[in-house]
Amino acid sequence: SQELEQSPQSLIVQEGKNLTINCTSSKTLYGLYWYKQKYGEGLIFLMMLQKGGEEKSHEKITAKLDEKKQQSSLHITASQPSHAGIYLCGADPQGGSEKLVFGKGTKLTVNP
Amino acid sequence: DAMVIQNPRYQVTQFGKPVTLSCSQTLNHNVMYWYQQKSSQAPKLLFHYYDKDFNNEADTPDNFQSRRPNTSFCFLDIRSPGLGDAAMYLCATSRWEGNQPQHFGDGTRLSIL
Repeated sequence: SQELEQSPQSLIVQEGKNLTINCTSSKTLYGLYWYKQKYGEGLIFLMMLQKGGEEKSHEKITAKLDEKKQQSSLHITASQPSHAGIYLCGADPQGGSEKLVFGKGTKLTVNP
Repeated sequence: DAMVIQNPRYQVTQFGKPVTLSCSQTLNHNVMYWYQQKSSQAPKLLFHYYDKDFNNEADTPDNFQSRRPNTSFCFLDIRSPGLGDAAMYLCATSRWEGNQPQHFGDGTRLSIL
């Protein structure tokens, strides 16, 4: 079965700093989804990547999928306290499946 | 706004006392999911519906059941909750067209006394 490993597990940064979160798969990623979760709440969809080398941006968040489609990174530029939360990557384990497998998440703290 | 709504946000029940969690959606999505998420863990898929077609994960305990009376509503029933069932339960929906993002509710946090 597919497993997603996220690193780091937690991250504390000063407001204004850039940061990167990684998601590595044991198998080819057919669809890679990034979500954000605030403590005690549901997951908010951020971005989806499908093609090797694909890169998407939304405001100050950029996500990339490597050419081999086994690793994705999420980069936040000039972090703000509003970026704080848990970032989870999720992947389609089979290609064309409606199901997702999730990583354990990266907890981000942004200090003012 | 179209959304996924879970009720209640917090549920406390007694050990062994049946409990039902509810989820409704206004997105008109044909797939609905139930996940269990424990502290610092990844959400774990319990089961999902494609329209009325029920799909149970192999490792979902028999204690967990689900009902989907119509497109908009889906229920999670825990017949005899144990202490290990205390968790956040997340409902999600998606369109069934391949590579569609899932949209989540805010979750129900279940506590067992």
